[in-house]
Amino acid sequence: LAKTTQPISMDSYEGQEVNITCSHNNIATNDYITWYQQFPSQGPRFIIQGYKTKVTNEVASLFIPADRKSSTLSLPRVSLSDTAVYYCPGGGSARQLTFGSGTQLTVLP
Amino acid sequence: DGGITQSPKYLFRKEGQNVTLSCEQNLNHDAMYWYRQDPGQGLRLIYYSQIVNDFQKGDIAEGYSVSREKKESFPLTVTSAQKNPTAFYLCASSTRGRGNTEAFFGQGTRLTVV
Repeated sequence: LAKTTQPISMDSYEGQEVNITCSHNNIATNDYITWYQQFPSQGPRFIIQGYKTKVTNEVASLFIPADRKSSTLSLPRVSLSDTAVYYCPGGGSARQLTFGSGTQLTVLP
Repeated sequence: DGGITQSPKYLFRKEGQNVTLSCEQNLNHDAMYWYRQDPGQGLRLIYYSQIVNDFQKGDIAEGYSVSREKKESFPLTVTSAQKNPTAFYLCASSTRGRGNTEAFFGQGTRLTVV
């Protein structure tokens, strides 16, 4: 199984950059690395995906080292509305898409 | 609009009854997934399906059943064998190409046993 490990929680202040790291155990060769954001009582929302190196979109950056054993989601200048749970799901050859507990990010004023 | 729809949004069930949660997608996705989320917890995989007429158990399949007779539909039945069914249920779909590609989620069904 391609399980992932990430911190349970993180706190930050408005305007700061936040980096959340995920360890990817047994990531499959063909798997992308993806990150999602979830607000209470809603389904998770896709944020960003990558395979190697760095990917940037309008909301976040994703850093993936060459060995692909980890990834780091970077949120620039967070605001109160970025308070949410962030997930880096595992896939694997069985294509299970396993989410785990996620990281609760709390942005403080 | 393309998307994934779960119904109903809220569902109440008496103990000992089976209940079926609906999940429909018009994204032409091959893969579909069901998750359970308890308060303050992450998502746990119940069942998943990569193609029509085929599905596999996830981490917590006991007390649940699914069918995948059509590409667009992946209904989940919560049976009376599920001892603690009160939870938030989420359905998702994705393409079947490379692994772990972007998944789209429905808005969820909150099931309460009364």
